[in-house]
Amino acid sequence: EAAVTQSPRNKVTVTGGNVTLSCRQTNSHNYMYWYRQDTGHGLRLIHYSYGAGNLQIGDVPDGYKATRTTQEDFFLLLELASPSQTSLYFCASSEGWGSAETLYFGSGTRLTVL
Amino acid sequence: GDSVTQTEGLVTVTEGLPVKLNCTYQTTYLTIAFFWYVQYLNEAPQVLLRSSTDNKRTEHQGFHATLHKSSSSFHLQKSSAQLSDSALYYCALSTNAYKVIFGKGTHLHVLP
Repeated sequence: EAAVTQSPRNKVTVTGGNVTLSCRQTNSHNYMYWYRQDTGHGLRLIHYSYGAGNLQIGDVPDGYKATRTTQEDFFLLLELASPSQTSLYFCASSEGWGSAETLYFGSGTRLTVL
Repeated sequence: GDSVTQTEGLVTVTEGLPVKLNCTYQTTYLTIAFFWYVQYLNEAPQVLLRSSTDNKRTEHQGFHATLHKSSSSFHLQKSSAQLSDSALYYCALSTNAYKVIFGKGTHLHVLP
């Protein structure tokens, strides 16, 4: 089974702060994703990547940067955090990009911006 | 645009009774697959069911769903709900364009 590990588990920062969320997958999956989960909105795609050095824009990218340094590691960067970015963030991976690909999620990072 | 609609934010059912979670979709893509993901409290979402075949019933862990392209639906059903089924359920649509589209989720609350 796919293993996706996120860190930190919880993070509190202040408005304007700089935050980096980390994600590592150990199953040689090609695709990695960052989602945010909010009540009433479900899961929304922020950024995704299909390999090291690649970055694609998702549906709610404003205020977020991402970087895929290796096949295993995908980072989400909030350079000027705002209270609207308080959310539960999930990283996910999948083997490829096909219509039947299953997403494997990490345990999530709960971010609070004061 | 492409979308997935889950009409109920919360479904409450008594243990032992049947339950149905609704899911409808809109898409312009021809090659598509459908998923139900389940998220238990304080856990990550995980896949429950997936299907890409029209009118074929798919089953897992007592749940079943049938993709009906004629009505653009992929409802999730179970004949006898268990307390352990209480969770957040997401219906999702996957295309070969690039992304997975999630519905807003339905909380299932099973009462003793």
